[in-house]
Amino acid sequence: GDSVTQMEGPVTLSEEAFLTINCTYTATGYPSLFWYVQYPGEGLQLLLKATKADDKGSNKGFEATYRKETTSFHLEKGSVQVSDSAVYFCALSDYTGNQFYFGTGTSLTVIP
Amino acid sequence: GAVVSQHPSWVICKSGTSVKIECRSLDFQATTMFWYRQFPKQSLMLMATSNEGSKATYEQGVEKDKFLINHASLTLSTLTVTSAHPEDSSFYICSAGGQVPGQPQHFGDGTRLSIL
Repeated sequence: GDSVTQMEGPVTLSEEAFLTINCTYTATGYPSLFWYVQYPGEGLQLLLKATKADDKGSNKGFEATYRKETTSFHLEKGSVQVSDSAVYFCALSDYTGNQFYFGTGTSLTVIP
Repeated sequence: GAVVSQHPSWVICKSGTSVKIECRSLDFQATTMFWYRQFPKQSLMLMATSNEGSKATYEQGVEKDKFLINHASLTLSTLTVTSAHPEDSSFYICSAGGQVPGQPQHFGDGTRLSIL
């Protein structure tokens, strides 16, 4: 079945460092891909999405490109801030939109 | 702004009490909503899929008599934790949306349930 594999955490970076959180997927057909962010004590917020191959989702300085050839959707940010400290979830919805699959989450801590 | 509203955000109650959590879709009608449970530092665990006008679909291992789900309208689903005990303490999150290719799920802000 469909699934998402996400980079294990936790990740600790200094402010202004480059961030990459790896996400790969297994799916039938053409899934849609998402990154969500969860700040402490809150629900999940949609960070960005991509719905077809080679699409690049971007928001708040974060980017991820839908790579069908490598079945990946890695999250990147060029310069992280302390306020980016949160848990990041990679997610996939199948080609019908009816099923959602989440990665295990990656905790990011950014230190000044 | 928020498209899914969840209430209450935090509940503390005595063992044996039943607790109701509401999940509302604000900007759209949701025939399907989802209820998740999240343990500290862990991912979301899907508990059940709430279907408007019909019975919820529970994931394996989730007690349907313990976690009662009602989806009486296109904008409201409720989760009732019946006769709650300390082991039911957790963070519960609802979501709505998706169901169409490319559309994301939108999440409520979650409810922290603490049973004393």
